[in-house]
Amino acid sequence: DAGVIQSPRHEVTEMGQEVTLRCKPISGHDYLFWYRQTMMRGLELLIYFNNNVPIDDSGMPEDRFSAKMPNASFSTLKIQPSEPRDSAVYFCASSRGQGIVDEQFFGPGTRLTVL
Amino acid sequence: ELKVEQNPLFLSMQEGKNYTIYCNYSTTSDRLYWYRQDPGKSLESLFVLLSNGAVKQEGRLMASLDTKARLSTLHITAAVHDLSATYFCAVDIRLPYGGSQGNLIFGKGTKLSVKP
Repeated sequence: DAGVIQSPRHEVTEMGQEVTLRCKPISGHDYLFWYRQTMMRGLELLIYFNNNVPIDDSGMPEDRFSAKMPNASFSTLKIQPSEPRDSAVYFCASSRGQGIVDEQFFGPGTRLTVL
Repeated sequence: ELKVEQNPLFLSMQEGKNYTIYCNYSTTSDRLYWYRQDPGKSLESLFVLLSNGAVKQEGRLMASLDTKARLSTLHITAAVHDLSATYFCAVDIRLPYGGSQGNLIFGKGTKLSVKP
């Protein structure tokens, strides 16, 4: 299995631009998670999905952030418009869920820099 | 609200020494996970502890879980430089009827630096 795949790995953009981060979870996993990691705030859960349905988006910082999961093998996290304070590493993770082991597997992350 | 506290948050130790990282959590859970993150890298699963008294060992690392005390420990034996990383513990949220909410609550991480 290829593991969780994220793209792009690095993104540099200017303030005000739209940014779209992509994630392909591990096949067969029912749960998908989006995290953000910064030095100041550590690892934060933004939103998670179960069977493509958003379960908890209380971690999404504001309306500029949106996430979708149109099917079981693809999810996007969009920031529009982006701001410098959005600079962070964004991780996607997936898990089987509802089983004995709900271990989350993390993707390599997308390092976002907003100038 | 489930809280997961790790201590210490920063740990500088010499090679060859032993030390323990603690992970306390605030509500009932019988599943705990340890992750490792190298600088600039993603999180990698280290241990999955699924029941009270569970103990897992991998090389110089040993993790244990005491669900009654709501405590997990990650013990480092004879540390080597390669163990330098940030270690996270994470706890799942159990629902009253026995299922899982599906997400994990992570501690803030313990940044371990092993010096020669």
